[in-house]
Amino acid sequence: DAGVTQSPTHLIKTRGQHVTLRCSPISGHKSVSWYQQVLGQGPQFIFQYYEKEERGRGNFPDRFSARQFPNYSSELNVNALLLGDSALYLCASSLNGKAYEQYFGPGTRLTVT
Amino acid sequence: TQLLEQSPQFLSIQEGENLTVYCNSSSVFSSLQWYRQEPGEGPVLLVTVVTGGEVKKLKRLTFQFGDARKDSSLHITAAQPGDTGLYLCAGETSNTPQGGSEKLVFGKGTKLTVNP
Repeated sequence: DAGVTQSPTHLIKTRGQHVTLRCSPISGHKSVSWYQQVLGQGPQFIFQYYEKEERGRGNFPDRFSARQFPNYSSELNVNALLLGDSALYLCASSLNGKAYEQYFGPGTRLTVT
Repeated sequence: TQLLEQSPQFLSIQEGENLTVYCNSSSVFSSLQWYRQEPGEGPVLLVTVVTGGEVKKLKRLTFQFGDARKDSSLHITAAQPGDTGLYLCAGETSNTPQGGSEKLVFGKGTKLTVNP
């Protein structure tokens, strides 16, 4: 079975632009979580979605939003990009939303210039 | 705010040496995970420890969860170049006081380099 997939792999955007990142969970998994990993740091929690509803939100500004679709795939949207948004964005899926059962995707490397 | 402190931040050793990486917190976690991450890739789960005092072994890797479930260690015996990577510890915590949804709180990681 395929693992968690994310697209695109790499992305370069300019300050002020908008970006959409996509994630497909492992087949059968109903929960998707998003994490931001800045260079030299561990991943930081952004959102968790379970059965298409937001179950948790980390300490990120309202420029960050996400949604989960009926097929359990998910999008992360970031508006008004800042240089500090440059990071590896990781998606993790789990069967029932349990953090210790999360499997991570390869990430999307976002560079804001 | 729950924080996980990892030490050392960087570690460079020769093939065949032993090493220990530490993960400490002032908070109690219901479980703790260790991940290894290669450059440009997502973290890969190595182990989950749940019970205070628990010890788990994965080939040459030994993981221990502290009795109070606030700290953990990862010991690698006879390190090999293939062990090179970023080792992350992560504690499981709830998003809300009522529990339910859960998230991982990560340490900053230990960057291990094993030289041939």
